[in-house]
Amino acid sequence: NAGVTQTPKFQVLKTGQSMTLQCAQDMNHNSMYWYRQDPGMGLRLIYYSASEGTTDKGEVPNGYNVSRLNKREFSLRLESAAPSQTSVYFCASSELVTGDYEQYFGPGTRLTVT
Amino acid sequence: TQLLEQSPQFLSIQEGENLTVYCNSSSVFSSLQWYRQEPGEGPVLLVTVVTGGEVKKLKRLTFQFGDARKDSSLHITAAQPGDTGLYLCAGPNSGYALNFGKGTSLLVTP
Repeated sequence: NAGVTQTPKFQVLKTGQSMTLQCAQDMNHNSMYWYRQDPGMGLRLIYYSASEGTTDKGEVPNGYNVSRLNKREFSLRLESAAPSQTSVYFCASSELVTGDYEQYFGPGTRLTVT
Repeated sequence: TQLLEQSPQFLSIQEGENLTVYCNSSSVFSSLQWYRQEPGEGPVLLVTVVTGGEVKKLKRLTFQFGDARKDSSLHITAAQPGDTGLYLCAGPNSGYALNFGKGTSLLVTP
């Protein structure tokens, strides 16, 4: 049981480049999330998917797009990277989206945009 | 957005000392969760408190949910270097996902 896996672990992009962060979970969870973590800012929700086929914006969605490819996979795309998107990105999953359920986090992707 | 304020922001103590960190809000939460995040890893759930006044113990960690369900505390007895990490509280956000506090960064030195 791998839990939540994320690829890549590290990435350096130049301003304007695009990339997709991949996330997969093997716990048969319905809900998946993308957060970013910046020093002094805590974890902020970018997008979430309550169930397969649905996605919704979180607190900081600008500059990002997401795809819930199937129940297991939830990807985050940066179409035109900006230095302000330098951050650590975490994917998480939970059984249900109501917020009372434990969220399981992946190990994170450390992204630097120069 | 229901804000969660955590204090202190940083805490550096010696092994064997006791400590308490706090999570406060002006809003009522149906439940609160505490996570610990070690350097280079994602957060891991420690406990969920759901009833006002509830106290839960996890070995040397004691978690309390305020009577009014607006605040919570985490007390660590006889801290050890393995307790080092970022402690995050989180509560349901308008019925979906979680709203996280900014965390308390704890360093326990031998």
